[in-house]
Amino acid sequence: AQKVTQAQTEISVVEKEDVTLDCVYETRDTTYYLFWYKQPPSGELVFLIRRNSFDEQNEISGRYSWNFQKSTSSFNFTITASQVVDSAVYFCALSDTGRRALTFGSGTRLQVQP
Amino acid sequence: SQTIHQWPATLVQPVGSPLSLECTVEGTSNPNLYWYRQAAGRGLQLLFYSVGIGQISSEVPQNLSASRPQDRQFILSSKKLLLSDSGFYLCAWNTPHPNTVFGQGTRLTVV
Repeated sequence: AQKVTQAQTEISVVEKEDVTLDCVYETRDTTYYLFWYKQPPSGELVFLIRRNSFDEQNEISGRYSWNFQKSTSSFNFTITASQVVDSAVYFCALSDTGRRALTFGSGTRLQVQP
Repeated sequence: SQTIHQWPATLVQPVGSPLSLECTVEGTSNPNLYWYRQAAGRGLQLLFYSVGIGQISSEVPQNLSASRPQDRQFILSSKKLLLSDSGFYLCAWNTPHPNTVFGQGTRLTVV
């Protein structure tokens, strides 16, 4: 069975601070995909990144960066110089290659104070 | 372009009433379709998925059912709603990339 753990329930930072959201996953599949989604107060899920299990290169997109480490089954997400607009719930998710359905973590609520 | 439509956006229903939520996808054919539910303050849980017309797989035992009468239409139903059915329901489809794209969601409150 697949499992995704986001141990941080809620994080509060002050604007311009860097913040890292942790994600640890469990799977028996050798091929899988990892995702991060952002859920603003309006509720829709906004896709941020997809990583396949064969690509351990870290990725940077503007203020966002992701650190995928297969050895520790972690896929952490860092926001540099956080802004108030980053306030949202962030979900890490794992996709199997069969159903291609997502197993979500419980989410981390990020509050960025001005 | 590929889009996903889900309605209604919000719904308040009394206990024991029926439910029908509809989701349609445009710009693709034979997509994998999914229904997820997010209970208050919790993560998302897969309820149903479908790989084709009339093919429905249920992930958790519950008071809900799903149907796929057409290739790009996915419907979530209940004959009699329970208080515990309250939540945020999201329809999604799986693109070839692969990626999962979500609809805008339906916030259901059972009173």
